[in-house]
This record gives sequence, C-alpha cells and structure tokens, in this order.
Amino acid sequence: AQSVTQLDSHVSVSEGTPVLLRCNYSSSYSPSLFWYVQHPNKGLQLLLKYTSAATLVKGINGFEAEFKKSETSFHLTKPSAHMSDAAEYFCVVSSRGSQGNLIFGKGTKLSVKP
Amino acid sequence: EAGVVQSPRYKIIEKKQPVAFWCNPISGHNTLYWYLQNLGQGPELLIRYENEEAVDDSQLPKDRFSAERLKGVDSTLKIQPAELGDSAVYLCASSFQGDTNTGELFFGEGSRLTVL
Repeated sequence: AQSVTQLDSHVSVSEGTPVLLRCNYSSSYSPSLFWYVQHPNKGLQLLLKYTSAATLVKGINGFEAEFKKSETSFHLTKPSAHMSDAAEYFCVVSSRGSQGNLIFGKGTKLSVKP
Repeated sequence: EAGVVQSPRYKIIEKKQPVAFWCNPISGHNTLYWYLQNLGQGPELLIRYENEEAVDDSQLPKDRFSAERLKGVDSTLKIQPAELGDSAVYLCASSFQGDTNTGELFFGEGSRLTVL
C-alpha cells in the first residue's frame, strides 16, 4: 500500500530564509510523487511532480523537491521564503496499483513571519 | 479558461437533513473526482468518474452518500441524511483522462458543510 508521512504539521520561517517541508513515502511500486499547495479559501494547486525522470524537480514559485529513493523522502525546499508562500502544503503519492488515485499526506502549514 | 466550479461554497444544515453539492469540471476533462477533507487532514477520495462511469467508489459510504455524473460533465454529490460527522469540506477535481497517474488534478475551491 502507498502512503506519505509529512513530518511536521506546522513550520514557521522568517521572510527571506530557506523553507524545508519534509515528506517520507511508502510505496510498493515505483512511485509518482507530488506537492500540492492550498492557500486559504482557494483550491488545491499542483506545485511540482516527480514521475521517475530527473530526481531533482523544479516547480512553480521557486520551489523544488528531490526524490531520494534510499531515504524514501521527497522533501520540498525553497531558498528564500516570501510572505505569499504562507499556505498549507500536501505531499501526495499516486497509487498506480489503484489506477492512479492520489493519496494525500495530512499537510504542513507554513507560516512566514515578516 | 474557467476552473472547476463548485456550489454552494458554504452550507449549514441540521442533522438528518439532506444536502447536495454541485460541480462543474473544466471543459474537456473526462475524469472527475470528489474528495472529502476533514479539518487538519489531507483530502481523501470518495469517488472517481471516467466520463459517466464511476470507476472507483470504494470509499463512498453508500448508505447515506450518492453521486451522479449525468452526460459525463457536471456532477452532484448528495448526503441523506446528514450526520454531525459529515461536517467537512467536499472538494471536486477534474483531469484529462490519462493524466490520472501524472497527478495533474485541478481542484475547485470546495464546499464547506457544517452539520448542527
């Protein structure tokens, strides 16, 4: 069975400092992994995706994530946080065994202090 | 291009009352999903449609929940009767058929249900 574990429910950073949101996955298959972002009262939006190509994946708004099979991790990073990055972030694995249904983590709330 | 549209955005009802949510997917998207998002949790799939066919409804509580997607476009999710534990956000998403494994789903803003 596929699952993801987001290691922090809440992360707080200062504007201009690096962001690290941690995610570990478990998968019986070669996984597809994603990060989605949810701003308050907005729909979920795809940030980036890993689908067995390059292990370092770049997404929108300066975010990137690195797939590390040996560590079963897919951590999300950004060199410099912006106030507009404050949102809820979800790590997601695609369950190919179930025809591609997405399995979401519990989310990490990112706060950015001025 | 219009995104996924859901209505109503907010609904407050008393327990045992019925409620329905409507979703209009992005034009041309064959696949439609209903997700349930409880407070502080990630979304969980309720049902997935490929055109008119419900291809995965294993997580839909069929005693009180029902869904339909007539003509393979709009969809309605109904709860009858609602229980206190149904208070949550109901999310609709759509994608091109074949993009399911790439994870490129487009989500609506959700319908927030409060059951009193």
